[in-house]
Amino acid sequence: KAGVTQTPRYLIKTRGQQVTLSCSPISGHRSVSWYQQTPGQGLQFLFEYFSETQRNKGNFPGRFSGRQFSNSRSEMNVSTLELGDSALYLCASSWTGLNYTFGSGTRLTVV
Amino acid sequence: GNSVTQMEGPVTLSEEAFLTINCTYTATGYPSLFWYVQYPGEGLQLLLKATKADDKGSNKGFEATYRKETTSFHLEKGSVQVSDSAVYFCALSDQEGSSNTGKLIFGQGTTLQVKP
Repeated sequence: KAGVTQTPRYLIKTRGQQVTLSCSPISGHRSVSWYQQTPGQGLQFLFEYFSETQRNKGNFPGRFSGRQFSNSRSEMNVSTLELGDSALYLCASSWTGLNYTFGSGTRLTVV
Repeated sequence: GNSVTQMEGPVTLSEEAFLTINCTYTATGYPSLFWYVQYPGEGLQLLLKATKADDKGSNKGFEATYRKETTSFHLEKGSVQVSDSAVYFCALSDQEGSSNTGKLIFGQGTTLQVKP
């Protein structure tokens, strides 16, 4: 079966711009989580959605937001980009909210 | 709050050597524990998991045992291969009470380099 699909794979944006990343979970999975991975901070939890509801949110500023659609696909948005937002953004999906399958990520570079 | 601590890397081994990557955790309740592996340019792949004390997770020759008394989940492999070179992450499932929050808490990752 198809895995978790994240688009785009790579993205270059300028400071101050906004960006939207997309995640298509494994068919039937209703839980989608997002993580930011950087060399300095490691893997940090952004938020988790289940059946279109945000159930949990990490310690990130309000510039980071997300949503989930009725087909479980999810998007995350970062507004007013800063250089420090450069990272690998990983999406993961789960049926149970426990065993997560990760996508390959979107590499965001802010210049 | 809950946390995971991994041994610092990089770990450099010769092919067929024995591998241990230490992982300890701090958590209330009874979280599930995981090892994920990340190859260059890729996302995370679940390597193995354990959901309760004394459970042993195993996959592809890797093993880890959930030790509640020592709050540890050390990863081991008897004979590593060059293809095992990657970054390994220990993680736990965050909980509120007895319910999973949908959040994984990761260690900092340990880079393993296996030389032929």
